[in-house]
Amino acid sequence: GAVVSQHPSRVICKSGTSVKIECRSLDFQATTMFWYRQFPKKSLMLMATSNEGSKATYEQGVEKDKFLINHASLTLSTLTVTSAHPEDSSFYICSAQRGGAGANVLTFGAGSRLTVL
Amino acid sequence: AQKITQTQPGMFVQEKEAVTLDCTYDTSDPSYGLFWYKQPSSGEMIFLIYQGSYDQQNATEGRYSLNFQKARKSANLVISASQLGDSAMYFCAMRGRDTGRRALTFGSGTRLQVQP
Repeated sequence: GAVVSQHPSRVICKSGTSVKIECRSLDFQATTMFWYRQFPKKSLMLMATSNEGSKATYEQGVEKDKFLINHASLTLSTLTVTSAHPEDSSFYICSAQRGGAGANVLTFGAGSRLTVL
Repeated sequence: AQKITQTQPGMFVQEKEAVTLDCTYDTSDPSYGLFWYKQPSSGEMIFLIYQGSYDQQNATEGRYSLNFQKARKSANLVISASQLGDSAMYFCAMRGRDTGRRALTFGSGTRLQVQP
């Protein structure tokens, strides 16, 4: 079945540093990947839609310069939190959509918990 | 715009009993898909069941079934024979089929606790 690997699962960084989170589709080519953010005990909020080979589409209110998304290949999308601040601490989770048949269901990575000190 | 509403922040159920988690939705898309995901404390999102808006029959997947009432715009999840391992957050979600925007829109979630 479709497997999405997300790394790192947990990261702690100092305020002002940048953190990169990787999302890989292991056994299928992902034409589109989605990045979500989840605050404790809250729902998942869509941050951006990432399409291979083109610029990401950001949701209203999401700073594109702070949350850099790169979808360099059909199996890898990265989210870089630049100049991280404590308010960026959150659970970030990606999902990937395979092309063709089976495109209805999105497969999620296991998530990355970011703590900014 | 799409909106998912889950009105039950928390639910309790006895082990081996059935439980229904409510979900209503609103959309202007003529064609759409409805999903349920389970999120245990580890954080991963586990796909449970899918219902297409034009599917004639309600979806079933093992102990999970989706009670789809299109006229009422509801897509309730029924879990039969609850198990302790079913304790988790459950999210209802939807996405339009015929639009370029194919991200999932999630409800606020229901925390299910299965009691022995």
